[in-house]
Amino acid sequence: KNEVEQSPQNLTAQEGEFITINCSYSVGISALHWLQQHPGGGIVSLFMLSSGKKKHGRLIATINIQEKHSSLHITASHPRDSAVYICAAVKSNTGNQFYFGTGTSLTVIP
Amino acid sequence: NAGVTQTPKFQVLKTGQSMTLQCAQDMNHEYMSWYRQDPGMGLRLIHYSVGAGITDQGEVPNGYNVSRSTTEDFPLRLLSAAPSQTSVYFCASSPTGNYGYTFGSGTRLTVV
Repeated sequence: KNEVEQSPQNLTAQEGEFITINCSYSVGISALHWLQQHPGGGIVSLFMLSSGKKKHGRLIATINIQEKHSSLHITASHPRDSAVYICAAVKSNTGNQFYFGTGTSLTVIP
Repeated sequence: NAGVTQTPKFQVLKTGQSMTLQCAQDMNHEYMSWYRQDPGMGLRLIHYSVGAGITDQGEVPNGYNVSRSTTEDFPLRLLSAAPSQTSVYFCASSPTGNYGYTFGSGTRLTVV
């Protein structure tokens, strides 16, 4: 069983919809990252969380340490948000090694 | 532009050949790492380095070597390529390993 699980694997939304992607992990972590992989393959770091909530533009990331769960929300989704979103947990005491979820492929339809 | 530069972008190797994937960053980041991305498995850490002269193994290190002689460069060596090493390889750097990750554009490697 993967130590980091994401859901859903695939998501199709209409433009303007509110989107939620979930990430659950089964190990102690020091931080959790959300990454975005564009259709061309490039990877961009969106957020790093160790507690609470962060917001950047239309993107909001939250983490609940007790429940070992994080969510990435996209408000007023747009076709340019179409990408693969990857959750990556940094296990405690591992020297900053990432353990990745398998990603959520998001398609936003105009 | 500042960032992480990976070369080559594409490579085809024959089984048993060796090659080096190059990774360079100009942001003076201490932490650098290599990942491979395979369909259905996501990204997996191969090797990482927390500074010049220091390297360590990640989740899938077998078949790969790394060295970190300078802060800027972190090459990944395939000693004897195998079809199982067909993948997309990403290099990333970070100031400390906790935040601010910058990824290279990837190298698509096919071993035949």
